[in-house]
Amino acid sequence: AQTVTQSQPEMSVQEAETVTLSCTYDTSENNYYLFWYKQPPSRQMILVIRQEAYKQQNATENRFSVNFQKAAKSFSLKISDSQLGDTAMYFCAFMKLAGTASKLTFGTGTRLQVTL
Amino acid sequence: EAEVAQSPRYKITEKSQAVAFWCDPISGHATLYWYRQILGQGPELLVQFQDESVVDDSQLPKDRFSAERLKGVDSTLKIQPAELGDSAMYLCASSFSENTEAFFGQGTRLTVV
Repeated sequence: AQTVTQSQPEMSVQEAETVTLSCTYDTSENNYYLFWYKQPPSRQMILVIRQEAYKQQNATENRFSVNFQKAAKSFSLKISDSQLGDTAMYFCAFMKLAGTASKLTFGTGTRLQVTL
Repeated sequence: EAEVAQSPRYKITEKSQAVAFWCDPISGHATLYWYRQILGQGPELLVQFQDESVVDDSQLPKDRFSAERLKGVDSTLKIQPAELGDSAMYLCASSFSENTEAFFGQGTRLTVV
């Protein structure tokens, strides 16, 4: 079974600054995806960024980038130039590539507050 | 923009009553998931459908929960009887196929009193 651990329940960052959210995972699988999802207050969860485990290059999406360390089973999210709209719960998630049973396993989340 | 639709948004029900939630996935999405998110935790999978077939219901409490996706499109999740511990957000998600990005609905927040 896979587990995902987010050790930072809450974080705060000032607008325009950079923040890094941590995530570690445990798996015996070799082929999998990792995701960061954002869940704003009272709104649906949306995908922020995805990383395929077979890719060595770290994924980037505009102000969002990851530091994927496969051997260490670490997958952190860096948000640059933080904006007020980045305030949300952030969930790290794991998906093994195993036929049709492709569920997401989530961490417990990090609540990010962006302040003025 | 296509979205996963869920209803109702909020539901308050008494203990031992029956409750049902509905989900309409994005058109063309073959894979549909129901997740339960307890306050302060990450979502946990209850059931996954591929078209009309269940591919994973290992975490579904089958003595009280049931789910169906009869025509492989929309889906219903039912709880009967509801218990206090069922209070949570119930999230529906869909994806074009397995192993592709999942899109989430806004969820149904259930309160059992």
